Amino acid sequence: SAVISQKPSRDICQRGTSLTIQCQVDSQVTMMFWYRQQPGQSLTLIATANQGSEATYESGFVIDKFPISRPNLTFSTLTVSNMSPEDSSIYLCSVELASSYNEQFFGPGTRLTVL
Amino acid sequence: AQSVTQPDIHITVSEGASLELRCNYSYGATPYLFWYVQSPGQGLQLLLKYFSGDTLVQGIKGFEAEFKRSQSSFNLRKPSVHWSDAAEYFCVLTGANNLFFGTGTRLTVIP
Repeated sequence: SAVISQKPSRDICQRGTSLTIQCQVDSQVTMMFWYRQQPGQSLTLIATANQGSEATYESGFVIDKFPISRPNLTFSTLTVSNMSPEDSSIYLCSVELASSYNEQFFGPGTRLTVL
Repeated sequence: AQSVTQPDIHITVSEGASLELRCNYSYGATPYLFWYVQSPGQGLQLLLKYFSGDTLVQGIKGFEAEFKRSQSSFNLRKPSVHWSDAAEYFCVLTGANNLFFGTGTRLTVIP
């Protein structure tokens, strides 16, 4: 398995500002992902964070709104830009280990509230 | 196209009673299926997974799930529910590194 930490665990932000969420893994992983969980809903994949190249975004998500960095194999950041109340969600990062094909391990999540 | 359906949004059971959470999937090939649990204020934890082989899979915390290809189902069961099982449960299908989540079933356990 993998131990994943996220910072911050929660935040309350003003409309129009941006927040960067960090995800740290205790081992080198190939695949890292970012998900959004809107209030009372299931998880939706935002993007796959690729090390050394641009992230791969899912339909409905764009780089300008959710820029992602992946400088190495243990760390990634997701920025939620120009926030609005509709961005209030839990944001989770996950990783897939080479030894656990298609099985993902999730971080504890970042609970974001936008006023 | 891949999809996962969890027909029950909310289920309430008494502590000690048996539990079955339903999951139906749509996928064009052999699916990889998971059940995750999300406790209040916590992250997602994997309960069990099915890749191939024995269609009855055992997981953590006394949970099991049965894969039925003919019914496109992967229902989660537990013979005796504990109060600590109250949580949100997600059935998940994987395809090409992406996880497709069901809408979730919220389990309430009453004394």
